[in-house]
Amino acid sequence: GAVVSQHPSWVICKSGTSVKIECRSLDFQATTMFWYRQFPKQSLMLMATSNEGSKATYEQGVEKDKFLINHASLTLSTLTVTSAHPEDSSFYICSARERAGFGGSSYNEQFFGPGTRLTVL
Amino acid sequence: RKEVEQDPGPFNVPEGATVAFNCTYSNSASQSFFWYRQDCRKEPKLLMSVYSSGNEDGRFTAQLNRASQYISLLIRDSKLSDSATYLCVVNRVDSWGKLQFGAGTQVVVTP
Repeated sequence: GAVVSQHPSWVICKSGTSVKIECRSLDFQATTMFWYRQFPKQSLMLMATSNEGSKATYEQGVEKDKFLINHASLTLSTLTVTSAHPEDSSFYICSARERAGFGGSSYNEQFFGPGTRLTVL
Repeated sequence: RKEVEQDPGPFNVPEGATVAFNCTYSNSASQSFFWYRQDCRKEPKLLMSVYSSGNEDGRFTAQLNRASQYISLLIRDSKLSDSATYLCVVNRVDSWGKLQFGAGTQVVVTP
């Protein structure tokens, strides 16, 4: 089956530092990757969508200068949380989708990475 | 109003019993519906898609009621391993291919 990895799985950092999270599709080429954030007891919230070779599109309310996304290859997307603060502490999850829907299908399954737990002190 | 709403639970279920819960969605134009399972501090995993006519996958049965805008999940013969949070997921109408997640319903199966 499709496997997506994330690294690191957890990170603790001081306020003001930047943290980079990698998302890799291990056995398929992901034309689209999604970045989500999940606070305790809350739903996954989509932060941004990245398509290989183009700029990411951000959801309303998500600061693109704070959450830098790069999708330079079909198997790797990175999310950098710049100048992290305690309120950025959360569970960050990426997902990857192989390619756009076929045969009229409007959905292709997203395969999720195991997530990265970020704690900013 | 949230786009996808779920009863957070927890639903405490004796092993072997049946449990069912619903999820409501606000946008009547939604076309695709799913149930995901999320274990504590883990990523969500697709449990099953939900089809208009209802569908079954082993002990799991999903139903869609478009008129009332809700989907349901029923788990028969509950196993201890069914303990998890079940996420209701609906495709976003405003943006193709994107998903809207509910906050989840927690199910705890007890011996």
